[in-house]
Amino acid sequence: NAGVTQTPKFRVLKTGQSMTLLCAQDMNHEYMYWYRQDPGMGLRLIHYSVGEGTTAKGEVPDGYNVSRLKKQNFLLGLESAAPSQTSVYFCASSYDIRGQYQETQYFGPGTRLLVL
Amino acid sequence: GESVGLHLPTLSVQEGDNSIINCAYSNSASDYFIWYKQESGKGPQFIIDIRSNMDKRQGQRVTVLLNKTVKHLSLQIAATQPGDSAVYFCAEINTGRRALTFGSGTRLQVQP
Repeated sequence: NAGVTQTPKFRVLKTGQSMTLLCAQDMNHEYMYWYRQDPGMGLRLIHYSVGEGTTAKGEVPDGYNVSRLKKQNFLLGLESAAPSQTSVYFCASSYDIRGQYQETQYFGPGTRLLVL
Repeated sequence: GESVGLHLPTLSVQEGDNSIINCAYSNSASDYFIWYKQESGKGPQFIIDIRSNMDKRQGQRVTVLLNKTVKHLSLQIAATQPGDSAVYFCAEINTGRRALTFGSGTRLQVQP
């Protein structure tokens, strides 16, 4: 299993440009998450999904949109990038067993985004 | 690697010593806690977890202690090795919300 993978690994955008970050997991996990990590801070939750076709807002959702059209993929979109969105973005997933939610999250390697 | 944690508190220990990393959490409703290790350029990696009905849990070379009275969590690493050098985050969750809240992290530096 590849686990959780993210593409791209690194991207530079100009202010106002749009892009989509892709997260893929091959562990058949129900739950997927997008976080951002800024220097000197822990991870902050942007959006998450508890299943295919469902999404929910996290702690810092403004300026981002997400979609979960397939169970294995969770997309994070920036419609109009701003310098404040310069960060490292991490995707994570977690599973449930017989309907029992398992809290441990497995993280991807991250995507570094620089907005000029 | 990325410039994560430039201003993080740093714990510096000698190889072979024991390390203790502390974390204060904020939400008294949190019922599950996790310690993650993050090496430069990588995503967080699960180390050990503990539920709120426990006050201690041991793994291989690691122990997590939970004090719910003062909302404090600690990670003890025995016989610290150079490979333990990383940033360590505690995370808390209220399982009803299904979303982790991360602390700001501590950088552990192991001197050979």
